[in-house]
Amino acid sequence: AQTVTQSQPEMSVQEAETVTLSCTYDTSESDYYLFWYKQPPSRQMILVIRQEAYKQQNATENRFSVNFQKAAKSFSLKISDSQLGDAAMYFCAYRSQQTGANSKLTFGKGITLSVRP
Amino acid sequence: SAVISQKPSRDICQRGTSLTIQCQVDSQVTMMFWYRQQPGQSLTLIATANQGSEATYESGFVIDKFPISRPNLTFSTLTVSNMSPEDSSIYLCSAVETTMLYGYTFGSGTRLTVV
Repeated sequence: AQTVTQSQPEMSVQEAETVTLSCTYDTSESDYYLFWYKQPPSRQMILVIRQEAYKQQNATENRFSVNFQKAAKSFSLKISDSQLGDAAMYFCAYRSQQTGANSKLTFGKGITLSVRP
Repeated sequence: SAVISQKPSRDICQRGTSLTIQCQVDSQVTMMFWYRQQPGQSLTLIATANQGSEATYESGFVIDKFPISRPNLTFSTLTVSNMSPEDSSIYLCSAVETTMLYGYTFGSGTRLTVV
């Protein structure tokens, strides 16, 4: 079974600075998807960024980018120019390439990010 | 991307009763999922809701306690049966379409308190 590990329970960043959130995973599969989700106090899960394992290029979405190291099974999220609205819980998630019930997401424990004004 | 309307947003229930949570998606989706989340913690998958067939439950979750319906490609319900205070949690539904073009969409969650 796949596992996702987020070893840092909390992080803090100064507004306008850059922060990196770590995530590692364990799988025997060669094709899969990786995601970062943001959950603010409103509880709404918001997709931040996704990465297909077959793509060598790291995904980027505006201020958010990932460092995907397939051999090391590492998938870190970098937030540039941090804003107060970035404060939330962030979850790393894995999805198999398989279909049906195996298309479920496996989540890490999450990390709480606070942004200091 | 798909938008999910989840109801109710919160409820306070007496122990021994049941609550049904509904999720309506504004487009047809392949798979729907139900999660439980304690405040400040990660999401735990309860089951995968399959259209036209029985739901697939994760270890530790049983159909008698969490019956699920998926009558069509846009709607699903989760019932929390014979509730106890240990069932107090946030329940979220999620959906994904075949192409996964927009990733997984989530409802806004139901905060359940059992007294």
